[in-house]
Amino acid sequence: QKEVEQNSGPLSVPEGAIASLNCTYSDRGSQSFFWYRQYSGKSPELIMSIYSNGDKEDGRFTAQLNKASQYVSLLIRDSQPSDSATYLCAVRSQGNLIFGKGTKLSVKP
Amino acid sequence: GAGVSQSPSNKVTEKGKDVELRCDPISGHTALYWYRQSLGQGLEFLIYFQGNSAPDKSGLPSDRFSAERTGGSVSTLTIQRTQQEDSAVYLCASSLSRTGRNEQFFGPGTRLTVL
Repeated sequence: QKEVEQNSGPLSVPEGAIASLNCTYSDRGSQSFFWYRQYSGKSPELIMSIYSNGDKEDGRFTAQLNKASQYVSLLIRDSQPSDSATYLCAVRSQGNLIFGKGTKLSVKP
Repeated sequence: GAGVSQSPSNKVTEKGKDVELRCDPISGHTALYWYRQSLGQGLEFLIYFQGNSAPDKSGLPSDRFSAERTGGSVSTLTIQRTQQEDSAVYLCASSLSRTGRNEQFFGPGTRLTVL
């Protein structure tokens, strides 16, 4: 059974701080990794994808991948209250996307 | 361009009735996926289409659930004889194809409530 694990949170950070969200996965052969943001009552929205080891930056978001450790993370710099949401890690495994249960992030003004 | 659309946005039905949920993927996307998300739970994969065929039906929870896709575009998820445990948000996603790096984009979902 392929698994993606995330800390459910809630993770609470003050406005302006860096939020760090982590994810581990079990399928060592996975090559594609995604972060989705899901606001309460809304559907998941793709915010980052990463395929190679290292860091990938997009605005305030940085995704980090370490395939040897089977670890993916998402950093959100200068966190804003509007970043408050559940963040889903997704890993492509044998064609399917396997989703973690998500980490709930709360950014306090 | 237009994203994935789903209808209806909300559906309330009585136990035992049949329901049909519709998904219209992003134009040109050959792969289409159905997921279910129960309150406070993660995403549960239901079925995947490549074109009009469904090579992976492994996630359908029972034979009351079926899905079809016509013209390589619109898909319908049908739930027969609905039960209260079927209450959830049903999400559809599409991608250019199933392989490689292709990213999945989600529709707004259909919230199904079975009374």
